Amino acid sequence: DAGVTQSPTHLIKTRGQQVTLRCSPKSGHDTVSWYQQALGQGPQFIFQYYEEEERQRGNFPDRFSGHQFPNYSSELNVNALLLGDSALYLCASSLRQSTEAFFGQGTRLTVV
Amino acid sequence: GIQVEQSPPDLILQEGANSTLRCNFSDSVNNLQWFHQNPWGQLINLFYIPSGTKQNGRLSATTVATERYSLLYISSSQTTDSGVYVCAARTGGYQKVTFGTGTKLQVIP
Repeated sequence: DAGVTQSPTHLIKTRGQQVTLRCSPKSGHDTVSWYQQALGQGPQFIFQYYEEEERQRGNFPDRFSGHQFPNYSSELNVNALLLGDSALYLCASSLRQSTEAFFGQGTRLTVV
Repeated sequence: GIQVEQSPPDLILQEGANSTLRCNFSDSVNNLQWFHQNPWGQLINLFYIPSGTKQNGRLSATTVATERYSLLYISSSQTTDSGVYVCAARTGGYQKVTFGTGTKLQVIP
């Protein structure tokens, strides 16, 4: 049983560019959440997708957007990248009625 | 929103020693999880424990929801236990999870 998988694992982008990160949830899960973890800090909630809709959002600007597909996989898009967007981006999946979240290995984004 | 605090922030143990890590949260929770974050950043599930006590090998966890804290016990620590231990709490109907800042554990031979 595959767990949560994220791609790519590492990414380097230039300031001002756009980036798309991908997440496939654990088999049987229907809810995907995204988190940003800056160096030395705990993960911060970005948003959650369920039934292809954004259900809840953290304190992140509109430059951060997402999408969930019918197969429950998800994308995180970040536009107009800033140096401060450099971080580890974590995806978590869960079954809506179950509350245990499982995390992928993360995508480490570096903005130069 | 809910606040999650962990203590101690850093801990150094001799191999074979026992330890207790604490997680305090500021509001009622319906989900409390403990993770081990490996050096590459991945969060490995240890316990899903909104209340009560669970054990898994040398690790056990207890959550006292009414008093708003959870404890993670590590017995007979090994060097492979080194890393960052993070607790995360959820309140409300969705999956917004609030993380503590972690306890960095180093087990020395």
